[in-house]
Amino acid sequence: AQSVAQPEDQVNVAEGNPLTVKCTYSVSGNPYLFWYVQYPNRGLQFLLKYITGDNLVKGSYGFEAEFNKSQTSFHLKKPSALVSDSALYFCAVRDDTGGFKTIFGAGTRLFVKA
Amino acid sequence: DTEVTQTPKHLVMGMTNKKSLKCEQHMGHRAMYWYKQKAKKPPELMFVYSYEKLSINESVPSRFSPECPNSSLLNLHLHALQPEDSALYLCASSQDLDRDFREQYFGPGTRLTVT
Repeated sequence: AQSVAQPEDQVNVAEGNPLTVKCTYSVSGNPYLFWYVQYPNRGLQFLLKYITGDNLVKGSYGFEAEFNKSQTSFHLKKPSALVSDSALYFCAVRDDTGGFKTIFGAGTRLFVKA
Repeated sequence: DTEVTQTPKHLVMGMTNKKSLKCEQHMGHRAMYWYKQKAKKPPELMFVYSYEKLSINESVPSRFSPECPNSSLLNLHLHALQPEDSALYLCASSQDLDRDFREQYFGPGTRLTVT
C-alpha cells in the first residue's frame, strides 16, 4: 500500500533563509512523487515532480526537491525563502503498479517571516 | 491555457435541496477528478473519470452523483446532503492516467456549506 508522511505540521523560516519541507514515502513499485502548494481559499497548484532520472528536480518559483531512494524521502527545498511562499504544502505519491490514485500527505504549513 | 474553472465559488444549501457543481477544462485532458477537502486537511479523492467513463468511486455516498457529459466537463450533483458534507470541493484534471502524465491541475474549488 502507498503512503506518504510529512512529519512537520508547520515550518517557520525567516525571509532570505533556506527552507526545507520534509516528505517520506512508502510504495510497492517505483515511486512517482509530487509537490503541490495551496494558498488560502485556492485549489492546489503543481510545483514539481519526480518520475525518473536526476535525483534533484527543479520546479516552479525557485523550488526544488531531492529524491533519496535509500531514505525514501523527497524533501522540498528553496535556497532563499520569500514571504509570499507562506502557504500549505502537500507531498503526494503514486506508484507504477497500475493504480490511479494519488496519495497526499497531511500537509505542512510554511510560515516565512519578514 | 492551464486553467480548470469551477462554478459556483460558494454554495449554501439546505439538506433537502438539489444542486450541482460544475468543472471545466480546455487543456485536452482525458482524466478528471473530484476531491473533498476539509479545513487544513489533504484532499480526499471521491471520483475519477477517464475518457468520460467512471474509473474510481471511493465508496462515496449516493447523495453525491458525478457526471461527465464530455471530455471538458465534469459535474457533481448533490442531493439530501448532511452538514458534515460542508467542505471545499475541488475538481482536477490530468492529461490521462498513463504514468508519464500524472500531475494534476486543480480548480479553485467550490466552498459548500450545508445548513
